[in-house]
Amino acid sequence: KAGVTQTPRYLIKTRGQQVTLSCSPISGHRSVSWYQQTPGQGLQFLFEYFSETQRNKGNFPGRFSGRQFSNSRSEMNVSTLELGDSALYLCASSPNPSTDTQYFGPGTRLTVL
Amino acid sequence: QQQVKQSPQSLIVQKGGISIINCAYENTAFDYFPWYQQFPGKGPALLIAIRPDVSEKKEGRFTISFNKSAKQFSLHIMDSQPGDSATYFCAASWASNTDKLIFGTGTRLQVFP
Repeated sequence: KAGVTQTPRYLIKTRGQQVTLSCSPISGHRSVSWYQQTPGQGLQFLFEYFSETQRNKGNFPGRFSGRQFSNSRSEMNVSTLELGDSALYLCASSPNPSTDTQYFGPGTRLTVL
Repeated sequence: QQQVKQSPQSLIVQKGGISIINCAYENTAFDYFPWYQQFPGKGPALLIAIRPDVSEKKEGRFTISFNKSAKQFSLHIMDSQPGDSATYFCAASWASNTDKLIFGTGTRLQVFP
């Protein structure tokens, strides 16, 4: 089975712009979670989607949003980018929210200038 | 209440030695404790996980020890190898939603030959 794929892998944006990141889960997985990884804050939970519904949201401002499509693919959007949004954005998938094992993708490295 | 504290921040071990990484949690509602391994440029990969109904779980050279009363758990890597050099993250979540992981701050392990 192919693993979790994330596109693009690298992205450079300037302050004030918006960005959309994409995640394709492992085939058959219906739950997708997003995490932000930075050297200062580590790995922080952003949000989780299951069956096109957001189940949980982490402690991030409303500029961070996401959605999940009927084929379980997910996108996250960050509007009005700030320098502090520079990070590795990781997507993880699992069959459903109670199956223990989350499989992570390689991440999208976002740099905000 | 949702924090997971991890130590040490970095660890240097000789090949063949034992690597020990410790984590402590505060929220007694946590009941799923995974360890993830991350190599540079890659997403985290699940190494081993434990639930609080057992005090120890072993998979190959990797062992989790769990102390429910002390709210602590640790990862032991026996016979450490240079290929184990990576960053290790402990995490915690709830059985009802194992897709919302609360991560520790990470330990950078270097194993020298």
